[in-house]
Amino acid sequence: NAGVTQTPKFQVLKTGQSMTLQCAQDMNHEYMSWYRQDPGMGLRLIHYSVGAGITDQGEVPNGYNVSRSTTEDFPLRLLSAAPSQTSVYFCASSYSPTLGTEAFFGQGTRLTVV
Amino acid sequence: RKEVEQDPGPFNVPEGATVAFNCTYSNSASQSFFWYRQDCRKEPKLLMSVYSSGNEDGRFTAQLNRASQYISLLIRDSKLSDSATYLCVVTRGATNKLIFGTGTLLAVQP
Repeated sequence: NAGVTQTPKFQVLKTGQSMTLQCAQDMNHEYMSWYRQDPGMGLRLIHYSVGAGITDQGEVPNGYNVSRSTTEDFPLRLLSAAPSQTSVYFCASSYSPTLGTEAFFGQGTRLTVV
Repeated sequence: RKEVEQDPGPFNVPEGATVAFNCTYSNSASQSFFWYRQDCRKEPKLLMSVYSSGNEDGRFTAQLNRASQYISLLIRDSKLSDSATYLCVVTRGATNKLIFGTGTLLAVQP
């Protein structure tokens, strides 16, 4: 039972570099989202998708892009990494956005930007 | 003001104790409510949903007060394995985005 798979688990970037965090789910969930977690801030929504081809911004979208070409995959792209993007990133999926159902999270990506 | 507010703790309690966490939310239109548990350096996992009538799952009881816009979680007979951060979560908007509180840290002592 894979669930939600995130890669990589750890990453160190230099300021200005770009990278893509991968997220895949095998539960046929419609809804996928990306969060970042910082000390004292809780999890904050970056971007989300209610289905293939549909994405929207969350609370803290600046500096990040997403796309949803398939139901399974929802990659998060950092365009030009900044130290302020040092954080733990979680991808999540849930069955339906309209029912407020349980969200399943990936194991997280710990990103450091130097 | 944060949309979901929790006391960050830590709550240090002995094994066997009963401990309660409260959470307040500001958006009266929120429809769904949850408690998630997050172990150190791990991903959040659903502990239980919270229903208007209150609900219980073993040693855990969750209550919702819509009029006062607060949610509670009661843990009875605390175990060492209950040590974790407890996240209060509400939904917002037509797509039920999950809005997380910052979490309450529980440390159960032997």
